[in-house]
This record gives sequence, C-alpha cells and structure tokens, in this order.
Amino acid sequence: EPEVTQTPSHQVTQMGQEVILRCVPISNHLYFYWYRQILGQKVEFLVSFYNNEISEKSEIFDDQFSVERPDGSNFTLKIRSTKLEDSAMYFCASREGKRNTIYFGEGSWLTVV
Amino acid sequence: DAKTTQPPSMDCAEGRAANLPCNHSTISGNEYVYWYRQIHSQGPQYIIHGLKNNETNEMASLIITEDRKSSTLILPHATLRDTAVYYCIVRVRLDAGNMLTFGGGTRLMVKP
Repeated sequence: EPEVTQTPSHQVTQMGQEVILRCVPISNHLYFYWYRQILGQKVEFLVSFYNNEISEKSEIFDDQFSVERPDGSNFTLKIRSTKLEDSAMYFCASREGKRNTIYFGEGSWLTVV
Repeated sequence: DAKTTQPPSMDCAEGRAANLPCNHSTISGNEYVYWYRQIHSQGPQYIIHGLKNNETNEMASLIITEDRKSSTLILPHATLRDTAVYYCIVRVRLDAGNMLTFGGGTRLMVKP
C-alpha cells in the first residue's frame, strides 16, 4: 500500500541551527501538509500546500518556518533557526484530491538542544 | 468546525468489541465525522468517516445517531495492537477546507 515517507526519523540539532525535514508524499497526491506534536500534547496543524503554494497556515507557522516542493516528489519543511520549543514530532501528510482522506507519514522526531 | 467530546480513556478486553463514543452536538448538516487513531507516537492513521449513514470497512464500523449529535466507533474484535489514541473529528468535507483539527482523543487500552 502506498505510504507517505519521512526522513530523518530522528534528528538532534543545536539551538539556532537550520533544520530541513523531508517528506515523500504518495505519488499521485496533490495536497500536502505538515503537522507537529510536542511530547504529550495534541497533534497540531502547521501548514497546507497545494499547487506550489501555501493554502493555509496556523499561528505556529511563523517566519522561521518554510515549505517547499523542490521537485516532483519531495516536500520539505525548513526551520531556519531552531528553538528549544521546536522539539517535537513532525508529521507530513498528503491527500489525492479535494475529497480524499489525508494520509500521514510516520513522523520525524526533532530534538533541539 | 463542530467541537467533539470524547472520554479521555477506555479499557477493553482482547477479543471483545470496543465501542468508542463521541459527542458532536453542534454538528452542522454538511459536516462529516472522521475517525483517526495514533499508535504510540506514530503518524495518525485514518480509520473511517461518515455523514449520516452507518459505515463499515475492514477496520471498524461507524454508527451515527439519527440526529447526528453523537457517534460510536466500533472495533468488532479488539486486539492488543488496537491500543492507541482514537480521535473523533468533525469536519466539513475536505474539499471545503484543508486540514484536520485534532482534540485530545480517547486512549484505548486493550488488555489481555
């Protein structure tokens, strides 16, 4: 069964460093998402992306965050200058079209020290 | 989006049916009920969704009351691998919006 894949599975980074989290959505999907989950807390929406542009973003998704679809298969989340509070599991998700289910990847665990 | 209310936790014996309730008394006519689950910090996994008719798939059944103010997710024969947090989400069909909003969910513990 097709799945959303994410790399790395776990990354440790120094505060202030830039981090790029990578995702390969399901191949025929057109809508892409990033969510995050701080340990012990709810899954929170960050951003959605369609047709090479952001379609919605939450208050969490401030200027230190950016997303990009650099080629036909990858979808990335960049955090420019990481803070301790960015430590979380980051989930990528995708869906085929407007009326389809959202499928999530297994997550990338980011630890900022 | 309509707010949902779920019990924070439930236990179920292995092999028995797990019935997970969800209240969504402010649901509007064009809002669907979606169920996802999250197994120990893995990515949320889609289970099932419905509008007003009961639905069944290979994972579960969804029973929606006639007034649509509540629903029940049924796992007919729970296994230890069904231990997870189950999220009930009410959302206008996804073509009218882009994301899912997760609440606290119900932590289901399936016990031997």
